[in-house]
Amino acid sequence: AQSVTQPDIHITVSEGASLELRCNYSYGATPYLFWYVQSPGQGLQLLLKYFSGDTLVQGIKGFEAEFKRSQSSFNLRKPSVHWSDAAEYFCAVGALQGAQKLVFGQGTRLTINP
Amino acid sequence: DTGVSQDPRHKITKRGQNVTFRCDPISEHNRLYWYRQTLGQGPEFLTYFQNEAQLEKSRLLSDRFSAERPKGSFSTLEIQRTEQGDSAMYLCASSRLAGAYNEQFFGPGTRLTVL
Repeated sequence: AQSVTQPDIHITVSEGASLELRCNYSYGATPYLFWYVQSPGQGLQLLLKYFSGDTLVQGIKGFEAEFKRSQSSFNLRKPSVHWSDAAEYFCAVGALQGAQKLVFGQGTRLTINP
Repeated sequence: DTGVSQDPRHKITKRGQNVTFRCDPISEHNRLYWYRQTLGQGPEFLTYFQNEAQLEKSRLLSDRFSAERPKGSFSTLEIQRTEQGDSAMYLCASSRLAGAYNEQFFGPGTRLTVL
């Protein structure tokens, strides 16, 4: 069965500092991996996705993520955070077949200090 | 294209009452998903439709829950005899079946509070 673990429930960083959010997944085949962001009262917005190919993927809002098969990880990074990045971040894995439903981690809440 | 919309955005009800939520997907998206998100957790899959056919249901979807998509466009999710444990955000997503993997676009959700 698919599963996703986000080890950090809450992270606080200063504005302008770099950011890395961790994500580990468990999946028997080639995973389809996603990072979503959710602001208060909003739905989920897709930041980036990995299907195949280059293991470093670029997303919107200056985010990137690196797929490491040997570590079953798909960590999200940003070189310099902005106050507007404060939100909840979810890593998810999807299957190619069938429903292609998403399995989400429990999320990491990001707080930005001014 | 106005995105996925959900109605209502908030619903407060008393235990034992029935509630119904509506989801309008992006037009021409033939797949529609329902997820439930409880406080402090990520969304969990409930069910999905391809056109009007409901093809998969999670074991999270008890007998009190029913979903429909009668004409392959909008969908409704009904919860009968609500319980306090049903309090959650109910998210709808849609996608177009057009390739190997099809991105899901999420609506803003309906937040249900059961008193």
